[in-house]
Amino acid sequence: GAVVSQHPSWVICKSGTSVKIECRSLDFQATTMFWYRQFPKQSLMLMATSNEGSKATYEQGVEKDKFLINHASLTLSTLTVTSAHPEDSSFYICSASLSYNEQFFGPGTRLTVL
Amino acid sequence: GESVGLHLPTLSVQEGDNSIINCAYSNSASDYFIWYKQESGKGPQFIIDIRSNMDKRQGQRVTVLLNKTVKHLSLQIAATQPGDSAVYFCAERPNTGNQFYFGTGTSLTVIP
Repeated sequence: GAVVSQHPSWVICKSGTSVKIECRSLDFQATTMFWYRQFPKQSLMLMATSNEGSKATYEQGVEKDKFLINHASLTLSTLTVTSAHPEDSSFYICSASLSYNEQFFGPGTRLTVL
Repeated sequence: GESVGLHLPTLSVQEGDNSIINCAYSNSASDYFIWYKQESGKGPQFIIDIRSNMDKRQGQRVTVLLNKTVKHLSLQIAATQPGDSAVYFCAERPNTGNQFYFGTGTSLTVIP
């Protein structure tokens, strides 16, 4: 149980285009989902907290207009990287909260912007 | 955020030896801590957790120690195996919310 999926697992796009990444909790409902970014050989950096039916809360320094988050249902959150540039290339990981102390992580999405 | 992006420190151990991975956390208001294992190209996998009212917790082959005085966590892996090779992260959860903030991480390599 407690499986989280992400789609796509990898994506390559041209600079200036937008990319949408989906995060789904497959066997549980998650009122809260989180989005992280991870650069090579670095730690996971929390980008934002996504609550179902309300606006996401972004961490300091994360541009909310650049990284659009939508949490339309209890099993789906999406992250859209708008007008992507090479510096946005990274590993994006989501997690879904089953309870206050539990986060289950997705397998990640590798974004490469050319 | 609570963590700082730095390049990963590394630890190499012989198969069968015990491993100790350390982590310094930043927020004295954190009340819950977790260790995760991350293999290349995958998401983090839960290993063990500990609440701030404890100083030690044991799992299967793993032990977590918490020293709140110096804001330090350690993960001990007994009889390390090649399958333990991965990057290990600690994460802290401040008592102000349910966000997790990750530490720098350590890359563990087990030598057969």
